[in-house]
Amino acid sequence: NAGVTQTPKFQVLKTGQSMTLQCAQDMNHNSMYWYRQDPGMGLRLIYYSASEGTTDKGEVPNGYNVSRLNKREFSLRLESAAPSQTSVYFCASRQSNQPQHFGDGTRLSIL
Amino acid sequence: GNSVTQMEGPVTLSEEAFLTINCTYTATGYPSLFWYVQYPGEGLQLLLKATKADDKGSNKGFEATYRKETTSFHLEKGSVQVSDSAVYFCALRSDTGRRALTFGSGTRLQVQP
Repeated sequence: NAGVTQTPKFQVLKTGQSMTLQCAQDMNHNSMYWYRQDPGMGLRLIYYSASEGTTDKGEVPNGYNVSRLNKREFSLRLESAAPSQTSVYFCASRQSNQPQHFGDGTRLSIL
Repeated sequence: GNSVTQMEGPVTLSEEAFLTINCTYTATGYPSLFWYVQYPGEGLQLLLKATKADDKGSNKGFEATYRKETTSFHLEKGSVQVSDSAVYFCALRSDTGRRALTFGSGTRLQVQP
């Protein structure tokens, strides 16, 4: 019962480095989401994908890009990491009017 | 735009005490409302939901009623356990547009034995 799988679980980067956060779901969901969680601020939407081949900006998209590679996978890329992007990143997926299912998160620190 | 406001924590209770975590929202239309729980080091898990006014969501002894007249969705539990210690997030999902969740800032609950 994998659900939503995120990799890696932890990562430390230096300012200016790039990396891609991976997310895969095995529930055949159409919609997928990327959020970031910062202390005292709840979760904020970075990007989302309503279906395979479509992506759209959320509340805080600056500094990020996404790729909906296929129905299962939705990756988040930081091209040039900045300390302000230190956060916990959550991927989620959803089908129709059902609630979102979340992964366990990726803890990213940028020095 | 949509917004969710929930009481600040931490909330510290003794085992078997009564729990209320307040949540109010601002939204257009007819949003769905959710409570998610996050245990240490884990992702968010859906605790309960309500999709229309006067609906009551319930799960594992927790309850919340969708009150459109007061735009509230307060979380309650009659008798908390140590295992309920976690961070609780109130959230709404608009009935139009991207259908993403708008979260409150979270309330940390600490239950002492």
